[in-house]
Amino acid sequence: EAGVAQSPRYKIIEKRQSVAFWCNPISGHATLYWYQQILGQGPKLLIQFQNNGVVDDSQLPKDRFSAERLKGVDSTLKIQPAKLEDSAVYLCASSLVVRAKTQYFGPGTRLTVL
Amino acid sequence: KQEVTQIPAALSVPEGENLVLNCSFTDSAIYNLQWFRQDPGKGLTSLLLIQSSQREQTSGRLNASLDKSSGRSTLYIAASQPGDSATYLCASVDGSNYKLTFGKGTLLTVNP
Repeated sequence: EAGVAQSPRYKIIEKRQSVAFWCNPISGHATLYWYQQILGQGPKLLIQFQNNGVVDDSQLPKDRFSAERLKGVDSTLKIQPAKLEDSAVYLCASSLVVRAKTQYFGPGTRLTVL
Repeated sequence: KQEVTQIPAALSVPEGENLVLNCSFTDSAIYNLQWFRQDPGKGLTSLLLIQSSQREQTSGRLNASLDKSSGRSTLYIAASQPGDSATYLCASVDGSNYKLTFGKGTLLTVNP
């Protein structure tokens, strides 16, 4: 069974530029999560999708971050414009259902904002 | 709001030593408690999951315990190996919305 795929793996941009990250969850998983992990911290949930609908985006900085999950499969997370404090690893995870016992994480995208 | 704390932040041990990583949480209304491993440049790998009704779980050289009443969990690693070097994260899962709240992790280095 293929795991959660993410791309790109690394991205370096200058502040005020825009960037997009892509995630392909495990086949059949209805729930998809985007987390932000700043160096030295644990992952923090940004947004949670159930199929193609948003379940929770309470911690998503909506003035600059946006996410979508078209057709309930792949998802894209965008930052526009980026700030220095957005430098982090962005992790995508998926689970079969919301109440699934565990989530499966992708390798992450490391973003550096200069 | 749930807060998860992990102690120590970093730990360095010689190969073969038994060790304990600690995790504490403020809200005992959890669905389950999970331990993850994170290697540099990689995502999180689930190691052990303890349901709220359970006291411990074991997998190979790993044993995790849960004491909901005191808000604590420990991860015990027996006979540590250099390949165990990684960051270990614990996460509580909320009993109402199933969200994960992570600690900051413990960076473990096992020296040959």
